[in-house]
Amino acid sequence: DAGVTQSPTHLIKTRGQQVTLRCSPKSGHDTVSWYQQALGQGPQFIFQYYEEEERQRGNFPDRFSGHQFPNYSSELNVNALLLGDSALYLCASSNRWSGVSYEQYFGPGTRLTVT
Amino acid sequence: AQSVTQLGSHVSVSEGALVLLRCNYSSSVPPYLFWYVQYPNQGLQLLLKYTSAATLVKGINGFEAEFKKSETSFHLTKPSAHMSDAAEYFCAVYPYKLIFGSGTRLLVRP
Repeated sequence: DAGVTQSPTHLIKTRGQQVTLRCSPKSGHDTVSWYQQALGQGPQFIFQYYEEEERQRGNFPDRFSGHQFPNYSSELNVNALLLGDSALYLCASSNRWSGVSYEQYFGPGTRLTVT
Repeated sequence: AQSVTQLGSHVSVSEGALVLLRCNYSSSVPPYLFWYVQYPNQGLQLLLKYTSAATLVKGINGFEAEFKKSETSFHLTKPSAHMSDAAEYFCAVYPYKLIFGSGTRLLVRP
């Protein structure tokens, strides 16, 4: 049983560019949450998707957007990259109907470096 | 609003010594509380969780945590540290999303 997978592992972009990160949830999970972890800090919630819609959002600008596909996989898009967007981006999946929807399983993350 | 405070950004212990990592939370509703571990260049792994059942929660790798409502604390302990325990530890509270503390880096001296 594959866990949460993310791609790519590492990414280097230039200021002003756009980036797309991808996440496949754990088998049986229908909800995907994205977190940003800056160096030396705890992860910060970006947003959560289920039923192909954004359901909750953290304190992040509109430059951060996402999408969820019918197979529950998800993308995180960041436009007009800033140096401050350099971070580890973590995807977590869960199952809304499991009775333990609070249990989130994390992927290994995508390390984004903006130069 | 919910929040988490982890006391001590770095904790250093000798191998075989007691590990104590501190976490205090703020929550307007009965909280769900979690401890996650992060090894270098990896994602987060769930160590243990409190979901309003037993106040003493046992997790993986010999870790446990005690929920103390009167102290709004959820400290993580392990009786005997092992070199492989060296990692970053995060406490988190769950309303509909995980709210993490800033983390505590555990160093284990041989």
